Amino acid sequence: QQQVKQSPQSLIVQKGGIPIINCAYENTAFDYFPWYQQFPGKGPALLIAIRPDVSEKKEGRFTISFNKSAKQFSLHIMDSQPGDSATYFCAASGGYQKVTFGTGTKLQVIP
Amino acid sequence: ETGVTQSPTHLIKTRGQQVTLRCSSQSGHNTVSWYQQALGQGPQFIFQYYREEENGRGNFPPRFSGLQFPNYSSELNVNALELDDSALYLCASIERGGTDTQYFGPGTRLTVL
Repeated sequence: QQQVKQSPQSLIVQKGGIPIINCAYENTAFDYFPWYQQFPGKGPALLIAIRPDVSEKKEGRFTISFNKSAKQFSLHIMDSQPGDSATYFCAASGGYQKVTFGTGTKLQVIP
Repeated sequence: ETGVTQSPTHLIKTRGQQVTLRCSSQSGHNTVSWYQQALGQGPQFIFQYYREEENGRGNFPPRFSGLQFPNYSSELNVNALELDDSALYLCASIERGGTDTQYFGPGTRLTVL
């Protein structure tokens, strides 16, 4: 079954904190794992993505950790800012095929 | 390089009506996918178009149909609208053979009354 499970559903951190969002997948055919950031009323915007042959990827304040054997991956946001307040979706796909999204995590960063 | 654009931004229809949503893919992207995002949910895959043909479909009834044109732009048509069709409809484009990244448009907010 092509599911992506995401937790937590919501998260509140103070400015400077490090929110962590976790995801797990089942389909081993997935070979591309993007994270999307979505603000209210807007479309999802690509934040960072990883492939299963890499265990960690950093881009600015965003880091993905990937555990292929456990079929789990997570997003860490370093030095979080109020402007990071948004809904975050983990996702998975196989090549150019459809993207399967997690259920989303609503992040609130308190000043 | 232009991004993915969608029109209209908002749309209000009544139950039973038909609606057409439009999408222009990002420059150079030959594959377009459509997603439905209900309030508070993640986007759900409707279908994908490549070379003007449907190339994969999610769990949506046949009253959801689409088209892709030679310039790679696309339309999503929904017939016999139901209240549950109220959602944000997202278009995403991808360049096959590229990075596998799907770039999303801003969406069309459809409200069915």
